[in-house]
This record gives sequence, structure tokens and C-alpha cells, in this order.
Amino acid sequence: GAVVSQHPSRVICKSGTSVKIECRSLDFQATTMFWYRQFPKKSLMLMATSNEGSKATYEQGVEKDKFLINHASLTLSTLTVTSAHPEDSSFYICSSPRGNTIYFGEGSWLTVV
Amino acid sequence: AQKITQTQPGMFVQEKEAVTLDCTYDTSDQSYGLFWYKQPSSGEMIFLIYQGSYDEQNATEGRYSLNFQKARKSANLVISASQLGDSAMYFCAMREPNSGNTPLVFGKGTRLSVIA
Repeated sequence: GAVVSQHPSRVICKSGTSVKIECRSLDFQATTMFWYRQFPKKSLMLMATSNEGSKATYEQGVEKDKFLINHASLTLSTLTVTSAHPEDSSFYICSSPRGNTIYFGEGSWLTVV
Repeated sequence: AQKITQTQPGMFVQEKEAVTLDCTYDTSDQSYGLFWYKQPSSGEMIFLIYQGSYDEQNATEGRYSLNFQKARKSANLVISASQLGDSAMYFCAMREPNSGNTPLVFGKGTRLSVIA
């Protein structure tokens, strides 16, 4: 079964609204969560790294005010896309390390109309 | 310079045959980890196999094996006895240094199509 659970799997929102994506670790404490974005037929690009109880570290070019990441507990990290625009439409996926393995959530398809 | 290079955008293989997906990497770290993931059209990332830089033996997991050539900095994935369900995108990724809080860096991926 899933070790990292991500939802929603698909979401459609109107331009200008905000959308929250959640990632939960199911049977381990996820002190670190990585958030990736993937455009169609492209690779995964790291957006930010969140650590429980501290501010997220964003990659260069990623707007921290637009992509709000919260990691308030050891089992939950959230990504909020604020004031979404059609160009934010993408596949977003989280992952968390556990030993030598990195587990991924199921991913979220975001469509902004 | 790209950290992970996958030179094959697409590959075709006949069912039941073996196929090799290429991956080369660039690092100056002594400690690093190499990963392969399968991504079907649903989007989920399915972990296939892991090779640590200090591992002397090539990693194997069922039909998957990793041909690790450290001096050449290559970590090719070999899939034996291909099945139709193997059709997907395959990503090679690296973590350097090989510690828990280091994110994966991905190659551009190879789309594998298995033909009946």
C-alpha cells in the first residue's frame, strides 16, 4: 500500500482561486518532504524542500508567495497554489525519504481554467 | 552540466526480450545514490531499484538489474523478459550526497514501449 498518500489526485479550479494539495506519510515520520512539478512529457523539477517545523527551502525561480508550503507535523505537508493561473496547470508530486528509499505520493493533476 | 543524462527519449522492445535503458551521471561526491523509477500514464512514481556508490555488487530486483559502472559513471537499467505492462516512462535519478535530506535529481526520462 501507499507509504505517502497524496490528495486530491485531480483538481480543476478557476483562475484566481487557491488550491491545497496534501501529502501524508502513513507509517513513518516524514521530517522532510520534497515537492516536485512535472510538465507534460517533461521530467520532475524540484520546487522546494520542507522540513517539519521550519520554513521551506525553495529552488531558484519558484515563487514562495505563490506556492505556499507548510509542514506543521511529522505526517503532513501541504502545498497551496495561491491565485492560480492557467500556466500553473501541471502535475505536482511529493516525496519523502525513508532510509535509502524515497517514497512518492500518487501525484496531483491540477488544471486551472 | 546535467547531473543525470538519459540519451534515449524513446525505446521499443519486443515482448519477452530484454532491454537496456541508459543513464550516465555527473558528480564529484564520493557518496551518492542512484535510483530508477517507472512512471505509467497515471503519473505515480514507482520505485524500481537502488544502487549506492559504495555498493560493489550490481543491484537486482526481480526482472530489474542495474549495470553499475562507476568509472564510466553509468547506471543502466536492464529489464529482462519485457512485459506489455512495462510500457511507461522510466526515470534515472541521483541523490548526492546520499543522505536523507538530499532530494533526487532526475534525468529527462526514456519512454519504453513494449510490442506484442
